[in-house]
Amino acid sequence: SQTIHQWPATLVQPVGSPLSLECTVEGTSNPNLYWYRQAAGRGLQLLFYSVGIGQISSEVPQNLSASRPQDRQFILSSKKLLLSDSGFYLCAWSVRGRRNYGYTFGSGTRLTVV
Amino acid sequence: AQTVTQSQPEMSVQEAETVTLSCTYDTSESDYYLFWYKQPPSRQMILVIRQEAYKQQNATENRFSVNFQKAAKSFSLKISDSQLGDAAMYFCAYPNQGGKLIFGQGTELSVKP
Repeated sequence: SQTIHQWPATLVQPVGSPLSLECTVEGTSNPNLYWYRQAAGRGLQLLFYSVGIGQISSEVPQNLSASRPQDRQFILSSKKLLLSDSGFYLCAWSVRGRRNYGYTFGSGTRLTVV
Repeated sequence: AQTVTQSQPEMSVQEAETVTLSCTYDTSESDYYLFWYKQPPSRQMILVIRQEAYKQQNATENRFSVNFQKAAKSFSLKISDSQLGDAAMYFCAYPNQGGKLIFGQGTELSVKP
């Protein structure tokens, strides 16, 4: 069966510090991978998505970047965090070319920038 | 533009009663899929139900069912016999042709005992 792992679960970082959030998927190959951010109490904003190794599409200009060094690994990074980067970050995967399968989400990372 | 709209930021239902959450969407596609996701206080996103646009029959999963009106581009979620564990944020979502899952703004459902 397929599983998705996301860590850490909680992170408190000072302004100006770097960030690295990691997401890995098991039990499937060639997944589409996504990073979403959810501001306090509301909707999800797509930050990045990837259809393959090294292929990253950015949805919004921001202080963050993403990388996909391996087929089932997706990393969200920042060189210098801003207060506005605080939020809940969710990684997700979907079967490439099969929209009907839905998207499976990780358990999320709560990031607080202080 | 492909959009998903949930016009009810908050809803409340009495335990054991029925509640309907509304969702409208906009797409030029004729064949597509729609989803409802549940996000409980743990914030884990859980797929509740899916609908295939080419199927006229409304999807049903136990106490959850949808009212899919393709011409009106409406996709509402009905929860029957509401339980305390149904309290959560509910998101309507549409995966576009590019593979991006577009979410509505969410409806926060509270269940009163």
